Amino acid sequence: DQQVKQNSPSLSVQEGRISILNCDYTNSMFDYFLWYKKYPAEGPTFLISISSIKDKNEDGRFTVFLNKSAKHLSLHIVPSQPGDSAVYFCAASPTSLSNSGYALNFGKGTSLLVTP
Amino acid sequence: DSGVTQTPKHLITATGQRVTLRCSPRSGDLSVYWYQQSLDQGLQFLIQYYNGEERAKGNILERFSAQQFPDLHSELNLSSLELGDSALYFCASSPGPRPDTQYFGPGTRLTVL
Repeated sequence: DQQVKQNSPSLSVQEGRISILNCDYTNSMFDYFLWYKKYPAEGPTFLISISSIKDKNEDGRFTVFLNKSAKHLSLHIVPSQPGDSAVYFCAASPTSLSNSGYALNFGKGTSLLVTP
Repeated sequence: DSGVTQTPKHLITATGQRVTLRCSPRSGDLSVYWYQQSLDQGLQFLIQYYNGEERAKGNILERFSAQQFPDLHSELNLSSLELGDSALYFCASSPGPRPDTQYFGPGTRLTVL
């Protein structure tokens, strides 16, 4: 049962434009969300996170938006660069330590291609 | 280089066998996480240890077990292997119990024939 869904397997964007990667979740207990980036033959790299008490978190060119009512989050990359070409994973977790700790649930990823 | 090391890089074995994957976290990190990435299931969280204690459990099969040792390295034991266990197994570490500063190792590719 996929509780975190990334419905776009791939996305192509021109260099300098905005990349928007989307993620939906079904479990209302999720209150902590993360994005990871993965290059081929390497492990994922943590990018940015957001807690449910916020609706936006920004780090340089990366911004994550959270819409709790829609159970939807998005990652914006502005401006996009060719080096951003990678697979991006969305992950979500409930943070109740008495329950399951940080048991991250991952989406299946979106492959981003930034063309020159 | 994330500072997380995993051995071996590749492992080829037969069904029914048992293997052990090893992970050394970054220096100073107390948490270790194990993940499985297969073609059809994406990245699945298996288990987390924090300072030697099990902290969180995901979709880990009963045939799989893990532990974290006093020197903080961790081992993932996979037994009675099946063809479907073929996957990339990642280890990650973080300083504390939260995964937001998590660093992943390069992975161990397990092939079960």
